[in-house]
Amino acid sequence: AQSVAQPEDQVNVAEGNPLTVKCTYSVSGNPYLFWYVQYPNRGLQFLLKYITGDNLVKGSYGFEAEFNKSQTSFHLKKPSALVSDSALYFCAVRDDSSASKIIFGSGTRLSIRP
Amino acid sequence: GAGVSQSPRYKVAKRGQDVALRCDPISGHVSLFWYQQALGQGPEFLTYFQNEAQLDKSGLPSDRFFAERPEGSVSTLKIQRTQQEDSAVYLCASVLLVGGRSEQFFGPGTRLTVL
Repeated sequence: AQSVAQPEDQVNVAEGNPLTVKCTYSVSGNPYLFWYVQYPNRGLQFLLKYITGDNLVKGSYGFEAEFNKSQTSFHLKKPSALVSDSALYFCAVRDDSSASKIIFGSGTRLSIRP
Repeated sequence: GAGVSQSPRYKVAKRGQDVALRCDPISGHVSLFWYQQALGQGPEFLTYFQNEAQLDKSGLPSDRFFAERPEGSVSTLKIQRTQQEDSAVYLCASVLLVGGRSEQFFGPGTRLTVL
């Protein structure tokens, strides 16, 4: 069965520093991987996805993610963090055998201090 | 607006009451999903529609939960005889295309509190 793990409940970074939010996955087929962000009292917003092709995927708000098949990871990164990046981040996965549901990780709270 | 909308945004129910949560997907989107997000957790899949057909309801936690999308557009999630453990945010998402490659667009959610 497919699954996603986000090993960090919280990540704290100083503004201007690079940030990484970790995600590892387990799927039976080809992985379709997603990152979503959730701001307080708002729905999930799509950031980026990996389907196939380049291992480095660029998304919204300056975020990018690196797909690593050998390590089964899909870490979210940003070169220079902003205070406004503070939010809850979810990694999600869907594989070839499941055309419908996607499986979300437990979420990582990102806190950027000024 | 062009996004997914949900109503009501907040619902407080007494234990045992029935509730109905509405989702208006993005116009033209074929697929519609319902998720349940408990406090401090990631969203968990409840059910999925392709047009009016409910193709997967494996995530519905009990037979008190029922979802419909009779005309292939608006969807309603109904919870009968609500229990305190039903308290959560219920998220609706829609997808333009059928299949696994498209991202899902989420509504703001309905926060249900059962007293």
